[in-house]
Amino acid sequence: GDSVTQMEGPVTLSEEAFLTINCTYTATGYPSLFWYVQYPGEGLQLLLKATKADDKGSNKGFEATYRKETTSFHLEKGSVQVSDSAVYFCALSDRGGGFKTIFGAGTRLFVKA
Amino acid sequence: DADVTQTPRNRITKTGKRIMLECSQTKGHDRMYWYRQDPGLGLRLIYYSFDVKDINKGEISDGYSVSRQAQAKFSLSLESAIPNQTALYFCATSEPTSGEQFFGPGTRLTVL
Repeated sequence: GDSVTQMEGPVTLSEEAFLTINCTYTATGYPSLFWYVQYPGEGLQLLLKATKADDKGSNKGFEATYRKETTSFHLEKGSVQVSDSAVYFCALSDRGGGFKTIFGAGTRLFVKA
Repeated sequence: DADVTQTPRNRITKTGKRIMLECSQTKGHDRMYWYRQDPGLGLRLIYYSFDVKDINKGEISDGYSVSRQAQAKFSLSLESAIPNQTALYFCATSEPTSGEQFFGPGTRLTVL
């Protein structure tokens, strides 16, 4: 079945450091890929998405490119801020799976001032 | 106003009690979901509904039941709560073409 694997956390960075959170997936069809973010005490919210191969999703300085050849969707940000401290979830939604969403386990990010 | 709301936000109950968690949405989406979040385990799907007459079990449905009262309302019940059902519960809807999900703020349930 479909699955999502993302790097384990926690990840601790200093402010202005470069961030990469790795995400790989397996899917039988052509899924849409997402990164969701969960701030403390809140529900998940969409950070960015890509719906087909080679698409780049971007938002709030975060980027991720849909790489079909490596089945990856790594999240990057050039300069993190303390306010980026949160849990990040990689996810896929596959039409062949009836649009159920499969989530990775989440990666907690701590950014120190 | 929030698009997806959940009540209650926090609940403490005792083993064996029946509990209902409620979810309402104003997104106009047909598809709704209940997830459970435990530390280190991400989100696990409990039940989902693609329209009012369609209810499906997710990966961890044992011990839970749901009711889809209307397009906008999807309730989750624990018939006889047990301590290992202590978790954070999220309701979500999804956008029909891309599958993007919209989450409620969550209900923190503690079963003593």
